[in-house]
Amino acid sequence: DAGITQSPRHKVTETGTPVTLRCHQTENHRYMYWYRQDPGHGLRLIHYSYGVKDTDKGEVSDGYSVSRSKTEDFLLTLESATSSQTSVYFCAISREGSEQYFGPGTRLTVT
Amino acid sequence: AQSVTQPDIHITVSEGASLELRCNYSYGATPYLFWYVQSPGQGLQLLLKYFSGDTLVQGIKGFEAEFKRSQSSFNLRKPSVHWSDAAEYFCAVEWGVTGGGNKLTFGTGTQLKVEL
Repeated sequence: DAGITQSPRHKVTETGTPVTLRCHQTENHRYMYWYRQDPGHGLRLIHYSYGVKDTDKGEVSDGYSVSRSKTEDFLLTLESATSSQTSVYFCAISREGSEQYFGPGTRLTVT
Repeated sequence: AQSVTQPDIHITVSEGASLELRCNYSYGATPYLFWYVQSPGQGLQLLLKYFSGDTLVQGIKGFEAEFKRSQSSFNLRKPSVHWSDAAEYFCAVEWGVTGGGNKLTFGTGTQLKVEL
């Protein structure tokens, strides 16, 4: 299994509070991705990173920001959580020209 | 824009029966295609991938998939299903992004139920 951990694994938070999810890898892969998974939508890309401090938006980036200050860590922040951001969030990593490997996921509930 | 369609939301098969899960894609260039499997409460595991070459690709757990450019399809097959294959299956197409890397567009998934 790829060395990817996500923390926390479960979180319940209230509307309007900031939330940060962490993805940590031990593979030294260049590329990292954040997806959300919702019933009937499959997985949708939120943001991705192609190197330290290099990030770009995916298809559902509104309300989310990311940061990558070290190769191994990719943080996803919800500045002010809303109920529509209740979802399961997956981090993935890849090398150049290779497939993506996924972390175990974080289940986030916004009440 | 690229898209992936998995027309079957749910499929039920008997253990030992054959399986085919459908996937159709829309993408302007030569696609890189993937099948992932997700067991309940778990992350996604790569079953197989198509980058180029032989259009019939073999994956893990006895799965195979065939790329048919003329039909824009990449269907997943298994000759004899086991109860442990019950899971959700996702087809995905890759396309290039700023700075490199591989951005995936996923289908909405097919939930497989296996009857004993």
